[in-house]
Amino acid sequence: QQPVQSPQAVILREGEDAVINCSSSKALYSVHWYRQKHGEAPVFLMILLKGGEQKGHEKISASFNEKKQQSSLYLTASQLSYSGTYFCGTEFQGGSEKLVFGKGMKLTVNP
Amino acid sequence: GAGVSQSPSNKVTEKGKDVELRCDPISGHTALYWYRQRLGQGLEFLIYFQGNSAPDKSGLPSDRFSAERTGESVSTLTIQRTQQEDSAVYLCASSLGGPAWGYTFGSGTRLTVV
Repeated sequence: QQPVQSPQAVILREGEDAVINCSSSKALYSVHWYRQKHGEAPVFLMILLKGGEQKGHEKISASFNEKKQQSSLYLTASQLSYSGTYFCGTEFQGGSEKLVFGKGMKLTVNP
Repeated sequence: GAGVSQSPSNKVTEKGKDVELRCDPISGHTALYWYRQRLGQGLEFLIYFQGNSAPDKSGLPSDRFSAERTGESVSTLTIQRTQQEDSAVYLCASSLGGPAWGYTFGSGTRLTVV
């Protein structure tokens, strides 16, 4: 039931782009994205509800493909502050009322 | 409060001892969640509360783990007869009503069982 994230780790230079994928074998109601910096609490980035929406602002955005049960997080023109581990959390259809998180993707942005 | 507060921030205990971890959610948040994060791993669901009832305890690893919540405020996670495999960061999160509102996480309690 745990969503699968890919890739597991990415190293970028400042200004490069990255895509983080999250896929589930179960029908999803929503997908949530969080970022965790080393030694800190995960921080909420955004929620996507079923309906295939895309949201975010110009540099960090995400999409949700309901048919494929997949979500992708897009990081454009990465900054040093983007470094951290990105987790997707999935809420299954039927209202499980809790998030099941993937194992995370570690992003390192170097100068 | 302004955020989710967890205490202690660090706890070292001897194998076999009981420990109690505390979570103070954001005022007004009815939903409260406990997750466990082992070193380098993802977030493993333990239990969630809606008010002071726990509709889903499915993630508790064994009967050594228990949790309770007083009204819509403080929650405590108790681990009895701790084992070395219990070593992890225990994260608490609260939400206004459920996942649709997003979670706010506390900084966690780092538990080390020696």
